[in-house]
Amino acid sequence: DAKTTQPPSMDCAEGRAANLPCNHSTISGNEYVYWYRQIHSQGPQYIIHGLKNNETNEMASLIITEDRKSSTLILPHATLRDTAVYYCIVRAPRRSGANNLFFGTGTRLTVIP
Amino acid sequence: NAGVMQNPRHLVRRRGQEARLRCSPMKGHSHVYWYRQLPEEGLKFMVYLQKENIIDESGMPKERFSAEFPKEGPSILRIQQVVRGDSAAYFCASSPAQGTDTQYFGPGTRLTVL
Repeated sequence: DAKTTQPPSMDCAEGRAANLPCNHSTISGNEYVYWYRQIHSQGPQYIIHGLKNNETNEMASLIITEDRKSSTLILPHATLRDTAVYYCIVRAPRRSGANNLFFGTGTRLTVIP
Repeated sequence: NAGVMQNPRHLVRRRGQEARLRCSPMKGHSHVYWYRQLPEEGLKFMVYLQKENIIDESGMPKERFSAEFPKEGPSILRIQQVVRGDSAAYFCASSPAQGTDTQYFGPGTRLTVL
């Protein structure tokens, strides 16, 4: 699976949008971009994933550049409960033999009151 | 719809004892993954199982660790003769057989070896 690069930490004011960047310049054509977060001591929580098109769900939006070499996770109105470590993971479909998720160091997002 | 369930949530063992960690996947999911998170580190893949089959155990330590996912009942991660270095959080994830293979995680089991 392709490696990803994320800033180690970010701050965001409560109520503002949090934009978390991720670089994945070696991504392959069949690899998806997944985002998870881990709130202290809890299990990772799935947020969103996408292949080429931008995606939106009740939690966040995912913007993928046209060349797919980078993406941004957007939390539209950050709350204190969004404070967590956010992981950007690139992964091929399981049918391609990719069985696991590679968790890097992620971005520690702190939402400030 | 219940999520992935893991028990116990906390487990304390003395060196040399055995630890058994259980994982019940989400309803309708037949694929289970185990990950380990050492203190202050990221999650590391250990093993991937389907019902009655180990598909990928490339992340499992060669000795003392084993996993199973029987036809009936939860998946079990077994650690024999635990050592202090086994102290970690162990997370289980599950995904469905068809469609999206997004993995959904349980709350984890925190193993402490005294």
